[in-house]
Amino acid sequence: DGGITQSPKYLFRKEGQNVTLSCEQNLNHDAMYWYRQDPGQGLRLIYYSQIVNDFQKGDIAEGYSVSREKKESFPLTVTSAQKNPTAFYLCASSIDIEGILHFGNGTRLTVT
Amino acid sequence: AQSVTQLGSHVSVSEGALVLLRCNYSSSVPPYLFWYVQYPNQGLQLLLKYTTGATLVKGINGFEAEFKKSETSFHLTKPSAHMSDAAEYFCAVSDRASGGSNYKLTFGKGTLLTVNP
Repeated sequence: DGGITQSPKYLFRKEGQNVTLSCEQNLNHDAMYWYRQDPGQGLRLIYYSQIVNDFQKGDIAEGYSVSREKKESFPLTVTSAQKNPTAFYLCASSIDIEGILHFGNGTRLTVT
Repeated sequence: AQSVTQLGSHVSVSEGALVLLRCNYSSSVPPYLFWYVQYPNQGLQLLLKYTTGATLVKGINGFEAEFKKSETSFHLTKPSAHMSDAAEYFCAVSDRASGGSNYKLTFGKGTLLTVNP
């Protein structure tokens, strides 16, 4: 079955450590996105990529970095510069010009 | 820039009752509008979308929404709630002005629907 795989589902890190969240898709979609979800805040866009080797900052990119070396993969690194990294992170992809997003099941990151 | 406002962060209904979740948007261009549903600890799934044409849009699981340009609204309804409808619902608008072949979505803050037996 085609879909988006995010791993791991739960991730725990100590403050000051960088951590990388994985996102892989086999839908052959060009565009991929990272959203952050906090209770009562909805989804906020961190980074997005419309094509391999190209990506753009979203609304809350500070403290995050991404790469897009392959069409299938869009890993997100949460750096120590992110002041409040504990959150639920969702990866999505899209091929539809009407903007339909296909989501993974998310990674819940806890930093203590 | 576009924005989305969902009125009511929490809506509670009885099983069998009407479900009404409210969404208002602002957009500088004719919008594409979406409703997504999220079950606990999962990603979002598309319920329905409006792009052009008929303003009453039918989606999965018996949900529908009506695009009202004069009211800048896209409210989600279901005639009879089921226990399985309990979830969080997100309204979203597409940034068609961003260019390129794919568009960013701006999401509302979500409405948690509780269904009481």
